[in-house]
Amino acid sequence: NAGVTQTPKFRVLKTGQSMTLLCAQDMNHEYMYWYRQDPGMGLRLIHYSVGEGTTAKGEVPDGYNVSRLKKQNFLLGLESAAPSQTSVYFCASGQNKGLGTQYFGPGTRLLVL
Amino acid sequence: GQQLNQSPQSMFIQEGEDVSMNCTSSSIFNTWLWYKQDPGEGPVLLIALYKAGELTSNGRLTAQFGITRKDSFLNISASIPSDVGIYFCAGFLHGGSQGNLIFGKGTKLSVKP
Repeated sequence: NAGVTQTPKFRVLKTGQSMTLLCAQDMNHEYMYWYRQDPGMGLRLIHYSVGEGTTAKGEVPDGYNVSRLKKQNFLLGLESAAPSQTSVYFCASGQNKGLGTQYFGPGTRLLVL
Repeated sequence: GQQLNQSPQSMFIQEGEDVSMNCTSSSIFNTWLWYKQDPGEGPVLLIALYKAGELTSNGRLTAQFGITRKDSFLNISASIPSDVGIYFCAGFLHGGSQGNLIFGKGTKLSVKP
C-alpha cells in the first residue's frame, strides 16, 4: 500500500512551457486535492475533486487545470508556466468528507525559469 | 476568509524538554488535525480530533480539541532530535465549501541534542 504518490519529484521548466503533474492513490479515496506550498504562505488549495469525473476550484486556481478521469488519479496541468508558479506541489486524498482527514503525497518541486 | 493563527512560529529547545504549540481561529471547526512535515517531504498526519474537548495521544504526542471548537493544542513530551520539523494544524468545517482544510502557517521545531 503505497498511499499517495506523485510524479515527477522535481522538474525545471522554462516560462511558457507546459507540463502535467500526476498524483495517484491506492486507498480508494473519493476526495483528492492539489495544494501548493510557498515560504511564508503555508499550504494553499489549487483544485480538488470529490469523485471521479468531478473537479472544482480551490483558493488559487488561476493558471492550473485538473482532471480526474480515474478515481485513483488526479492530474494537475500547467498550460503556460510562469515564474510565479515556482513552488512545491502536494497532492492529498481523503475518504470521509465529513471528517476532513487528508493524506499527503511526497511533493513535486517545480522551478520555472 | 477563515484564518488559523498558529503559535509559536518557531521553537528552539533542548533535547528532553516538553513542547507546546497551539492554533486558534475566529471560526468554529468540526475537525482539528495536526501534521508534521520533514524537510523535503509531504505533511504526515499525526493526530486527528473530531469532538470538542477530545484529548488524544499518539506516543509522546498529545493533542486536544478546544471546548469552544475554535482552538487546539499539541504537546510533545521529552523531545528527541527526530522531532525536528514543521508542525501544522488544520481545521475542517463540515458543511463548509468543498471539504477543504484551513491550515496554520506552521511551527518550526528545532531540537538541540
